[in-house]
Amino acid sequence: KAGVTQTPRYLIKTRGQQVTLSCSPISGHRSVSWYQQTPGQGLQFLFEYFSETQRNKGNFPGRFSGRQFSNSRSEMNVSTLELGDSALYLCASSLDSLKPQHFGDGTRLSIL
Amino acid sequence: QKEVEQNSGPLSVPEGAIASLNCTYSDRVSQSFFWYRQYSGKSPELIMSIYSNGDKEDGRFTAQLNKASQYVSLLIRDSQPSDSATYLCAVNQDAGGTSYGKLTFGQGTILTVHP
Repeated sequence: KAGVTQTPRYLIKTRGQQVTLSCSPISGHRSVSWYQQTPGQGLQFLFEYFSETQRNKGNFPGRFSGRQFSNSRSEMNVSTLELGDSALYLCASSLDSLKPQHFGDGTRLSIL
Repeated sequence: QKEVEQNSGPLSVPEGAIASLNCTYSDRVSQSFFWYRQYSGKSPELIMSIYSNGDKEDGRFTAQLNKASQYVSLLIRDSQPSDSATYLCAVNQDAGGTSYGKLTFGQGTILTVHP
């Protein structure tokens, strides 16, 4: 069974640009959660989608947004990039909210 | 008080020893608990999940949960150098559908197993 697939693996952007990250969950998983990982803050929850609906959102500014498609694939968008947005962005999928989450390899975003 | 706290590291154990990793959480309604292993430069990998009080064993790994004390631990028996990684404790606080899909992570404990 294929795991969670995230693309691209690496991105370099400049301040003020926007970026879109993609996540394909494990087949059959309908819940997709996104996290930001930085050395200083650790892993922090961004949002969760289930059946194309955002059910939960973490404490991040509105520049961070996402969506989920009918095939459960999800995208995350960050607009007006700031230096502090440099991080590893991780997507995780699960069968439902309380079940284990399985992570993709992540997208490493660097802002210059 | 942090929502999820792990014992401060780094933790260094000799090969073959038992490594003990501890985690406390603040929200009593927490429902499910996970341990992830993260190698440097890689993404977190699920190694254990536990939902009810007591012990759960899987190979060399044993997870222990005590909801009354709000405490979860991970024991690694016969530690190997390949176990050297950061171990992350994660708690799902979803009770009654108020915290869908959100795992709250501890800061991680760096484990080094030396030959």
